[in-house]
Amino acid sequence: EAEVAQSPRYKITEKSQAVAFWCDPISGHATLYWYRQILGQGPELLVQFQDESVVDDSQLPKDRFSAERLKGVDSTLKIQPAELGDSAMYLCASSLHVQGGYEQFFGPGTRLTVL
Amino acid sequence: SQKIEQNSEALNIQEGKTATLTCNYTNYSPAYLQWYRQDPGRGPVFLLLIRENEKEKRKERLKVTFDTTLKQSLFHITASQPADSATYLCALVNYGGSQGNLIFGKGTKLSVKP
Repeated sequence: EAEVAQSPRYKITEKSQAVAFWCDPISGHATLYWYRQILGQGPELLVQFQDESVVDDSQLPKDRFSAERLKGVDSTLKIQPAELGDSAMYLCASSLHVQGGYEQFFGPGTRLTVL
Repeated sequence: SQKIEQNSEALNIQEGKTATLTCNYTNYSPAYLQWYRQDPGRGPVFLLLIRENEKEKRKERLKVTFDTTLKQSLFHITASQPADSATYLCALVNYGGSQGNLIFGKGTKLSVKP
């Protein structure tokens, strides 16, 4: 069964360092999402792509976060510089269509710890 | 303000009983509501979707209801098993929201004791 791939699974970094996360969605899924999930909370959307275009990045802290999906397939989320409050699970998800009537398939996540 | 509230952070039940989880929302007009299961250290897994014009949806031992008047969805697991122990998240897609993005509740952690 096709799955969303993410790497690394775990990342420990010191504050002010740069980190990058990678996501490979399910083949054929045009829509890709990056979420942040703090322990005990639900996932919160950071950015949504439709193919290679950003369609929603209203919740992305653009002073330190950036995301790209250059060829409309895999995607990278970067944080520079990392802050203590960025410690969280970063989840990537994909769906077949952009409208909400379709399920989202989540990857296993990247657990980020900022020291 | 807009809120999605899941009735409790934790729910403990005995094996074989029916688990009922509640999702209430305020100041949203959902077009759809979805339920996901999340195991520790893993990403959420889709379970069921219910649309605003549907009252009830079933899948095996799972049942979801959606009451737009009460602004509430109920999620039931019948004949619960220890393997059902996980965190269950409700998520809605708001009319007028950007491109159908999901807005998640905090989740309810279900523990089924043998």
